[in-house]
Amino acid sequence: GESVGLHLPTLSVQEGDNSIINCAYSNSASDYFIWYKQESGKGPQFIIDIRSNMDKRQGQRVTVLLNKTVKHLSLQIAATQPGDSAVYFCAETGFNDYKLSFGAGTTVTVRA
Amino acid sequence: NAGVTQTPKFRVLKTGQSMTLLCAQDMNHEYMYWYRQDPGMGLRLIHYSVGEGTTAKGEVPDGYNVSRLKKQNFLLGLESAAPSQTSVYFCASSTQTGALNQPQHFGDGTRLSIL
Repeated sequence: GESVGLHLPTLSVQEGDNSIINCAYSNSASDYFIWYKQESGKGPQFIIDIRSNMDKRQGQRVTVLLNKTVKHLSLQIAATQPGDSAVYFCAETGFNDYKLSFGAGTTVTVRA
Repeated sequence: NAGVTQTPKFRVLKTGQSMTLLCAQDMNHEYMYWYRQDPGMGLRLIHYSVGEGTTAKGEVPDGYNVSRLKKQNFLLGLESAAPSQTSVYFCASSTQTGALNQPQHFGDGTRLSIL
């Protein structure tokens, strides 16, 4: 079946640098995309979302980019902080289909 | 605002025992979900519900049952626990605005070990 996946399982970044986490998806009917952050011992926490009629959306220190042509999603974190250390998941769903498909996650480690 | 609350947080069972995991949400969401998360993997959908009194199978439903007698509660049952069901279980809820999906909100999980 079609799935959502992340390019790299781990990412090490220097504190203060920008982080880029990538995600590829295969379902061309995907309409809604979400990035979640999961800290150790916690449930996934919503970071930012984007719908297929947009190609960029910005939040506080985070930006999500969507390239529908190559079915690619990325999360950019500006000025990465120690508190950004976590596992990041992308998830997607189709129009009017509320069930999410999750990728395996990228573990981000911030070096002091 | 509590959001999504899961109980218990931890549990150890012996093979063949049964138990029920409880999920409660206070956001008046229509949709609720149960996932399991295994090491190095993303979340996999077990069962879900689109409203009170309705449930449906997800990606990995075998060995589990669910019930949604009240809108705010979604129960996950293991009738005869097996070691393969050792996992972290997450409950989530969501709503729609018109026909537009909104993000799922997650609880902090139940860590279940089957010996």
